[in-house]
Amino acid sequence: DTEVTQTPKHLVMGMTNKKSLKCEQHMGHRAMYWYKQKAKKPPELMFVYSYEKLSINESVPSRFSPECPNSSLLNLHLHALQPEDSALYLCASSHSQGPWGTEAFFGQGTRLTVV
Amino acid sequence: DQQVKQNSPSLSVQEGRISILNCDYTNSMFDYFLWYKKYPAEGPTFLISISSIKDKNEDGRFTVFLNKSAKHLSLHIVPSQPGDSAVYFCAATNFGNEKLTFGTGTRLTIIP
Repeated sequence: DTEVTQTPKHLVMGMTNKKSLKCEQHMGHRAMYWYKQKAKKPPELMFVYSYEKLSINESVPSRFSPECPNSSLLNLHLHALQPEDSALYLCASSHSQGPWGTEAFFGQGTRLTVV
Repeated sequence: DQQVKQNSPSLSVQEGRISILNCDYTNSMFDYFLWYKKYPAEGPTFLISISSIKDKNEDGRFTVFLNKSAKHLSLHIVPSQPGDSAVYFCAATNFGNEKLTFGTGTRLTIIP
């Protein structure tokens, strides 16, 4: 199993809603990532979890709240988002820290639209 | 500050010919580089990587070249096939850092 599975694939939410994005991998990877990608832009790192602990937060607003319940699951809780937060949210995982094995495997993404 | 740059937003190549995608970086701390391919509405797919101790890595039709003194890398695809049409991102990182910094992407179109 070399897949990273993200649900839902599409999400439309209002600015007062609370929703969660989910990500799952069963490759035994110990690093998991959330990226945000706007149209015609490269993916931008939001958070990294390493061994289930938050290791990198790229100054992401608190309306985005990550959670790593176990080594296979990664959630992104969304609350009071703005229309400019509409983007493709990508989850990724990799074997370990450091470049020797950080070939991150990406999920298909969740297309989020905030209305 | 864009630390990883792909100066060609798009590239068209005839099927069967060589595709060459270029990437430049400014951060001398980067020592590991990766290429990803992305189809619309999908996540990026890892293609090939190279560490700074090498200047070339080959995997089937894909070869990545690294010129550390010029802070430049390139991805060669030969022969190019229609299924290679996608957006290609280069990415860079350094040992001990989990963060990948992506370039701006190049849209490759293979013309049958």
